[in-house]
Amino acid sequence: DTGVSQNPRHKITKRGQNVTFRCDPISEHNRLYWYRQTLGQGPEFLTYFQNEAQLEKSRLLSDRFSAERPKGSFSTLEIQRTEQGDSAMYLCASSYRLAGGGEETQYFGPGTRLLVL
Amino acid sequence: AQTVTQSQPEMSVQEAETVTLSCTYDTSESDYYLFWYKQPPSRQMILVIRQEAYKQQNATENRFSVNFQKAAKSFSLKISDSQLGDAAMYFCAYRSRSLGAGGTSYGKLTFGQGTILTVHP
Repeated sequence: DTGVSQNPRHKITKRGQNVTFRCDPISEHNRLYWYRQTLGQGPEFLTYFQNEAQLEKSRLLSDRFSAERPKGSFSTLEIQRTEQGDSAMYLCASSYRLAGGGEETQYFGPGTRLLVL
Repeated sequence: AQTVTQSQPEMSVQEAETVTLSCTYDTSESDYYLFWYKQPPSRQMILVIRQEAYKQQNATENRFSVNFQKAAKSFSLKISDSQLGDAAMYFCAYRSRSLGAGGTSYGKLTFGQGTILTVHP
């Protein structure tokens, strides 16, 4: 098991462009989370999936953001018409939902650092 | 909504000494988890220790232990025999244990602002 992976690790884009990030969770983990972390702050929850279903979205996730998890495996996070305020580290985490509703520890990926010029 | 507060932006400790990082939280729930995560520079976040709110016994993991005061809503992390590799940003995090409708608000972590720990040789 190689852990949670994220690609790309770094992305520089110009304001107004679209960007897409990918997260590959630990195999067999059925829950996947996206968080955003700005410099010097703790991560903030954006959205999460249980298998392929997106069950919760934060108010931080504006209409320019969309996330998918086709087939309940990898996930993508797309930001359309990027703004300078979107510059941040985007973290992905995965976990396993246990029978009865419990959840194991969330394991984090290395993140994708986005800089919008 | 739950909030987590880490009032120490930075802490430092001498190698082999002990340091305590503070965390307070606010919640109306009675059943939840608390975590300490470590984020080394340019490396991914890893779990240090986890505490279930219904357990009175404080969690310990080798050199790491917590002081969980449920009534005071306090959750501090003690690092004993500090090592150079302990240098990192430490985050306190809260997670509800409630099963909401459709799984909403369940599983997501609420983080504090973080404490940068420096370890001096």
